[in-house]
Amino acid sequence: TQLLEQSPQFLSIQEGENLTVYCNSSSVFSSLQWYRQEPGEGPVLLVTVVTGGEVKKLKRLTFQFGDARKDSSLHITAAQPGDTGLYLCAGKDTNAGKSTFGDGTTLTVKP
Amino acid sequence: NAGVTQTPKFRILKIGQSMTLQCTQDMNHNYMYWYRQDPGMGLKLIYYSVGAGITDKGEVPNGYNVSRSTTEDFPLRLELAAPSQTSVYFCASSQSRIPGLGETQYFGPGTRLLVL
Repeated sequence: TQLLEQSPQFLSIQEGENLTVYCNSSSVFSSLQWYRQEPGEGPVLLVTVVTGGEVKKLKRLTFQFGDARKDSSLHITAAQPGDTGLYLCAGKDTNAGKSTFGDGTTLTVKP
Repeated sequence: NAGVTQTPKFRILKIGQSMTLQCTQDMNHNYMYWYRQDPGMGLKLIYYSVGAGITDKGEVPNGYNVSRSTTEDFPLRLELAAPSQTSVYFCASSQSRIPGLGETQYFGPGTRLLVL
C-alpha cells in the first residue's frame, strides 16, 4: 500500500503570511495531484504534476514535484482568508486506476 | 452537464439497517470511485471501477458492495450498517487514463451518513 504523509496537519496563519505544506512518500508516483476542499463540499483539483522536478504556478500558489517523484510541496504567497480549506495531495500509480490520498492539511487564514 | 451527482445528501441509519448510496455521472467517464472521509481526515478508497461491469476493491472495502451495470451509475451498498461506517461518502469519476498522466477526478457533493 502506497502511503502519503502530509504536514503540517493543521496550520493557522494571519492574512499576508507565506506558508508551505508538504506531501511525502517512500513510494514513486507517476503523477501527483493537489486538491482543495471546503467544508461541506467535495475536493476540487488544483493542479497535476507529472515530471520529476516540475514546478507549476497557479496565481499565488506554487506546486513542486520532487526529483524522485516521491514528494511534493505547495507554497502559498501572501495568504488570504479565501485560501482557507483542507488541502489534499493524491498520488497516482501508473499501473493502477486509482489514487492514494494523504490525510490533508487544514489551513486557516485569519483576516 | 450536471457532473457527478449523489443522493441522498444526508441519512441517519440504525445499526443493522441497509441502504444504497447513489452516484451518477453524465460525463461519459470510464473510471468511477467511492471514498469515505472521516472528520479531519483524507479520503480512503472503498471501491473503484474502470468501466461498466468491472469493479475492484480499494483500501477499505469491508462492509460495502458496489455494482457497475452502466457507465453512468455506480451505487454503493451498505448491507448491515455499523457505527464505524458513520462518515461522509464521496463519489468521483475520471476520464480514461492516459498512461503516465494524471487525469482529473471530479467529485460529487458527498453523502453524510450517521449510523446510530
